[in-house]
Amino acid sequence: GAGVSQTPSNKVTEKGKYVELRCDPISGHTALYWYRQSLGQGPEFLIYFQGTGAADDSGLPNDRFFAVRPEGSVSTLKIQRTERGDSAVYLCASSSWDRANYGYTFGSGTRLTVV
Amino acid sequence: DAKTTQPPSMDCAEGRAANLPCNHSTISGNEYVYWYRQIHSQGPQYIIHGLKNNETNEMASLIITEDRKSSTLILPHATLRDTAVYYCIVGYKLSFGAGTTVTVRA
Repeated sequence: GAGVSQTPSNKVTEKGKYVELRCDPISGHTALYWYRQSLGQGPEFLIYFQGTGAADDSGLPNDRFFAVRPEGSVSTLKIQRTERGDSAVYLCASSSWDRANYGYTFGSGTRLTVV
Repeated sequence: DAKTTQPPSMDCAEGRAANLPCNHSTISGNEYVYWYRQIHSQGPQYIIHGLKNNETNEMASLIITEDRKSSTLILPHATLRDTAVYYCIVGYKLSFGAGTTVTVRA
């Protein structure tokens, strides 16, 4: 596609429920990143995929958070037993393998609200 | 990834150049410097990046000091639409700090 697509754009869920957030990267981009942005703060790194594998998941806050990218394209961020503190905008970004020549392109994010 | 330091806010007059400083004194030799901006309720937008040499594109110029410990983003002719939070980031993880809130005034 022309850009990074994230769905849904907004998600409201009840505390304790399970949610899935989807990211469609730019076609051909091998690197994919997930970030979380709370109100008034900069994006916080969560996880980075190179192809199908999670090259760095050091930013995932706890074991309730999990992300997959089974075919090296679309990625899903999964949050179990959601808490009110999980409310934030979840951003996805992708880049070509050649980061030397290309920047990272971000999607518009999914705004998650846990009530 | 190296951390960066930016001033929290900056005002700029419309039509004038905006010079945004960033310190990244712990940058490693192979880490790129990236600049992004974020307009309210949108995802971060890529502006420019560089390794050692100064870079220029249609949006901005990036000046990196010889020791690579700091850089400056230059918006040559600021417009009201350039009002945003500007982030200076180094390394592949794109560890965002608080950024600089730039307000362009008419």
